[in-house]
Amino acid sequence: KAGVTQTPRYLIKTRGQQVTLSCSPISGHRSVSWYQQTPGQGLQFLFEYFSETQRNKGNFPGRFSGRQFSNSRSEMNVSTLELGDSALYLCASSQLDRDGYEQYFGPGTRLTVT
Amino acid sequence: KQEVTQIPAALSVPEGENLVLNCSFTDSAIYNLQWFRQDPGKGLTSLLLIQSSQREQTSGRLNASLDKSSGRSTLYIAASQPGDSATYLCAVASGTYKYIFGTGTRLKVLA
Repeated sequence: KAGVTQTPRYLIKTRGQQVTLSCSPISGHRSVSWYQQTPGQGLQFLFEYFSETQRNKGNFPGRFSGRQFSNSRSEMNVSTLELGDSALYLCASSQLDRDGYEQYFGPGTRLTVT
Repeated sequence: KQEVTQIPAALSVPEGENLVLNCSFTDSAIYNLQWFRQDPGKGLTSLLLIQSSQREQTSGRLNASLDKSSGRSTLYIAASQPGDSATYLCAVASGTYKYIFGTGTRLKVLA
């Protein structure tokens, strides 16, 4: 099975712009989660989607949004970029079972805001 | 609110040593705990998943244990190799479908 893929891998944007990142989960996985990783804050949960519905959301401003399509692919959008949004954005997919779930991560998108 | 702590933050050991990485969490009501490895600038690679009903999991030279009542997990690496050098993260599935990550242990194995 192909792993989780994320596009683009690297992105440079200017403050005030907006950006859209894409994540394709492992085939058959219906849950997609997004995380932000920075040197100062570590890995922080952004949101989780299942069957096109956002089921949980982390403590991030409304500039961060996401969606999931019927094929389970997901996108996240950050509007009005700030310098502090520079980070590695990671996507994870999982397949739920009765005991919980295991997350599989993609390689990430490195976003630099100048 | 679930909080996850990893000790030590960094570790440097000579090749061949057995070592233990620690992970502590404040809320014992977890679904599972997962250990990951991250190489610099890369994504996370899953190492071991321990369900809440399990006490330990093993994969090759790796063994992870879980003690929910005390809020602790350990990752044991046997006969460490330079290729094991990476940052190791533990993550707790807590609440509704989200993982809380520790800050990681940066491991360096010296040849």
